[in-house]
Amino acid sequence: SQQGEEDPQALSIQEGENATMNCSYKTSINNLQWYRQNSGRGLVHLILIRSNEREKHSGRLRVTLDTSKKSSSLLITASRAADTASYFCATGNNDMRFGAGTRLTVKP
Amino acid sequence: DARVTQTPRDKVTEMGQEVTMRCQPILGHNTVFWYRQTMMQGLELLAYFRNRAPLDDSGMPKDRFSAEMPDATLATLKIQPSEPRDSAVYFCASGLVQIQETQYFGPGTRLLVL
Repeated sequence: SQQGEEDPQALSIQEGENATMNCSYKTSINNLQWYRQNSGRGLVHLILIRSNEREKHSGRLRVTLDTSKKSSSLLITASRAADTASYFCATGNNDMRFGAGTRLTVKP
Repeated sequence: DARVTQTPRDKVTEMGQEVTMRCQPILGHNTVFWYRQTMMQGLELLAYFRNRAPLDDSGMPKDRFSAEMPDATLATLKIQPSEPRDSAVYFCASGLVQIQETQYFGPGTRLLVL
C-alpha cells in the first residue's frame, strides 16, 4: 500500500516565520493531499495537488509536487499560533494512506 | 454546514464487552472510511466502502472487528470482544465519487478499553 511519510516529525517556530514540511511516497500517484489535525479533533483537508501539477497555492499555503522524486512539500507562510497542529500528507489510488505526520508548534 | 457525525464521542468499557461505533456520512457522499489513530501506530485505515459495498477491510482484525453500512446514512464499526489494545480514537470519513478525492472526517470516537 502507498503511504506518505512526513519530515520532520516535529517542527517548532516563532509566529511570523515560515514552516516547511516534506512528504515522500513510494509509488505513482494520481494526487497527493495535505491534511491538518488539531489536538483531539478529526483531520481537515487543506489542499489537493494532482500528479500533473507542480505547485498549488491556497491562502498562506503553498504545496509543491515533484513526481520524479516522489516528494511534496507544504509551506505555511507567516505562521500564526493557530497553525499549531499536526500535518499529514496522504496518497492513494484505490485507497488512501496517511503518514505519521509533522507536529508543528508555532510559538506566539 | 454538512458534517460527518460520529457517536459516541467517548466510550469507556471493560475488556470483553461489545463496542459499536456509528457514523453518519455527509449526505450524498458515496465513500466511507474507518480509521484508527494511536500514538504508536498513527492513523491506520481499517476499512472503506463505496456505494455501501465494502471495498477493502484488510486493515481490520477480522476476528473481532466488523464494519457495515446498513444504509447510505449509517456506517457502523463493531468490536466484539473488545481488548485493551483496541483503545484508540476511531475516525470515520466520507467522500465523493472517486476514492482518491477529498475526505471529510468526523470528530472521532475516543475508545478506552479497561
